[in-house]
Amino acid sequence: SQQGEEDPQALSIQEGENATMNCSYKTSINNLQWYRQNSGRGLVHLILIRSNEREKHSGRLRVTLDTSKKSSSLLITASRAADTASYFCATVNSGNTPLVFGKGTRLSVIA
Amino acid sequence: GAGVSQSPSNKVTEKGKDVELRCDPISGHTALYWYRQSLGQGLEFLIYFQGNSAPDKSGLPSDRFSAERTGGSVSTLTIQRTQQEDSAVYLCASSRPPNTGELFFGEGSRLTVL
Repeated sequence: SQQGEEDPQALSIQEGENATMNCSYKTSINNLQWYRQNSGRGLVHLILIRSNEREKHSGRLRVTLDTSKKSSSLLITASRAADTASYFCATVNSGNTPLVFGKGTRLSVIA
Repeated sequence: GAGVSQSPSNKVTEKGKDVELRCDPISGHTALYWYRQSLGQGLEFLIYFQGNSAPDKSGLPSDRFSAERTGGSVSTLTIQRTQQEDSAVYLCASSRPPNTGELFFGEGSRLTVL
């Protein structure tokens, strides 16, 4: 069953704009992770935020976590055409359990 | 190897045939995961290995699906008597202890059942 639900399902923006994707989940988590997938093949890990963290940065990526609302957001600043991909959030409920992925947000960045 | 390796990258088979998909995880990664992704969909969890044992097989969709892992390394996912609804990309991932961190994914095996 899906734990995370990304919103929106699809997003189209112009190069240089910021892209914001949201993720909601249902149960308590150990951590939440964001992944990127190009062309329906392997996923690449972007960033991990622990349940006791509220915000994390990595390059042009900014992730926030609100455990009271069971939600997270991924912000990509100054987007580029190469950022075009699907983005998934995934949650870890407790130690040694598999990540549960949402259905993803399909981002298109138009040059 | 440097990354998670999966083979074959593409497999086309006829309905009713058996297929084997292989995953070679990153050396030293104790946990190994199989996911399935249908076209345009999210990832569906299939099975998870910690070493050679599978604590969680809850995602296997039917008894036609089985998986094993030997030597704490290579894993094989077997689908018997394939059906058209088995068509998907099968993704393998591995992680290092304590297994609550990031997953490293292979490029997947795309299975098409005619």
